[in-house]
Amino acid sequence: RKEVEQDPGPFNVPEGATVAFNCTYSNSASQSFFWYRQDCRKEPKLLMSVYSSGNEDGRFTAQLNRASQYISLLIRDSKLSDSATYLCVVNHGNYGGSQGNLIFGKGTKLSVKP
Amino acid sequence: GAGVSQSPSNKVTEKGKDVELRCDPISGHTALYWYRQSLGQGLEFLIYFQGNSAPDKSGLPSDRFSAERTGGSVSTLTIQRTQQEDSAVYLCASSSDSEIQETQYFGPGTRLLVL
Repeated sequence: RKEVEQDPGPFNVPEGATVAFNCTYSNSASQSFFWYRQDCRKEPKLLMSVYSSGNEDGRFTAQLNRASQYISLLIRDSKLSDSATYLCVVNHGNYGGSQGNLIFGKGTKLSVKP
Repeated sequence: GAGVSQSPSNKVTEKGKDVELRCDPISGHTALYWYRQSLGQGLEFLIYFQGNSAPDKSGLPSDRFSAERTGGSVSTLTIQRTQQEDSAVYLCASSSDSEIQETQYFGPGTRLLVL
């Protein structure tokens, strides 16, 4: 089983649609979770961290289910500018410690059409 | 302020040659990471530097790969005797603290092509 798994897509949706990305991770000791966005031929950029209680940032909602080792990202009212690859990222650091090894999923490609 | 910079932006080399890739992290960031991303693949962790601690080299794919960080700032990733499978985008990132919860800021990457 891969450490971080995502549906590769692509997801092709019309403007205004709601789209959901799912991600599963294999290491139950993982402590930190993130969604990064990567535009074509660009570097990844942090979209949002994912907290146990769930968190929302405008049209974006992230949720974490530790019991199922599952992370989600919901985009409402999608825009053309949301077209990108969305990377699920997990840290395997020990609790209370620090470790540099972020594990990236391969990403889910989103294409929003007019 | 200035972000993470990397040079060169593109590098074409012949199989068997050595290459050096450079990363300038954001000023004041103590943590520096190297990743590589092959076409259509996810990011692969290579190495992590944190302050003066020994680097985490667990991601380096072979002994042809090495990296150093001088003065706690600039880092150089060296690939010796390059192979065609080394062709990828090499990304550097930095963050401000040892806690991984801090955001990692990525540079634009170096696109390496080994012929």
